[in-house]
Amino acid sequence: SQTIHQWPATLVQPVGSPLSLECTVEGTSNPNLYWYRQAAGRGLQLLFYSVGIGQISSEVPQNLSASRPQDRQFILSSKKLLLSDSGFYLCAWSAGTGLNEQFFGPGTRLTVL
Amino acid sequence: DQQVKQNSPSLSVQEGRISILNCDYTNSMFDYFLWYKKYPAEGPTFLISISSIKDKNEDGRFTVFLNKSAKHLSLHIVPSQPGDSAVYFCAASAGTYKYIFGTGTRLKVLA
Repeated sequence: SQTIHQWPATLVQPVGSPLSLECTVEGTSNPNLYWYRQAAGRGLQLLFYSVGIGQISSEVPQNLSASRPQDRQFILSSKKLLLSDSGFYLCAWSAGTGLNEQFFGPGTRLTVL
Repeated sequence: DQQVKQNSPSLSVQEGRISILNCDYTNSMFDYFLWYKKYPAEGPTFLISISSIKDKNEDGRFTVFLNKSAKHLSLHIVPSQPGDSAVYFCAASAGTYKYIFGTGTRLKVLA
């Protein structure tokens, strides 16, 4: 069966510090991978998605970047965090072809102070 | 531009009764729709989906209805249980890898 891991579960970082959130998927090959953010009281905002190694599509211009160094690894980064980067970050995967549901990881709660 | 809208931020229902969660969309190219359930501090869990070639899909207590002409879908939960209390998101895809989510509806099932 497939599983998706995210870490850390919670993170408190000062403004201006760097960020690295990691997501890995097990039990599947060539998944589509996604990063979402849920700000307080808001819906799920798609930040990035990737259909293959090194292929990243950005949905919203922002202070964040994403990378996919391996087939089942997706990393969300920032060089300098802003207060507005606080939120709940979710990684998700879907099968590579056809119409398929997404499966989400447990999320990372990021607080920027 | 919010292409997927959930206009009711919250809903309260008595245990055993029907819960109806609504979702409207604007993009006529959307052809696949999903519903997710989310508890606080957890990732969303997939509930049920429907393709645009159907108008109804049922899975246990959950039924999704799609009205393409009205660009509207709804999730029915019958009977509602206290464990159903969560935030429900609808999402839509236009045959691509992207999914657009609504802002969610918080359902509270009262015992």
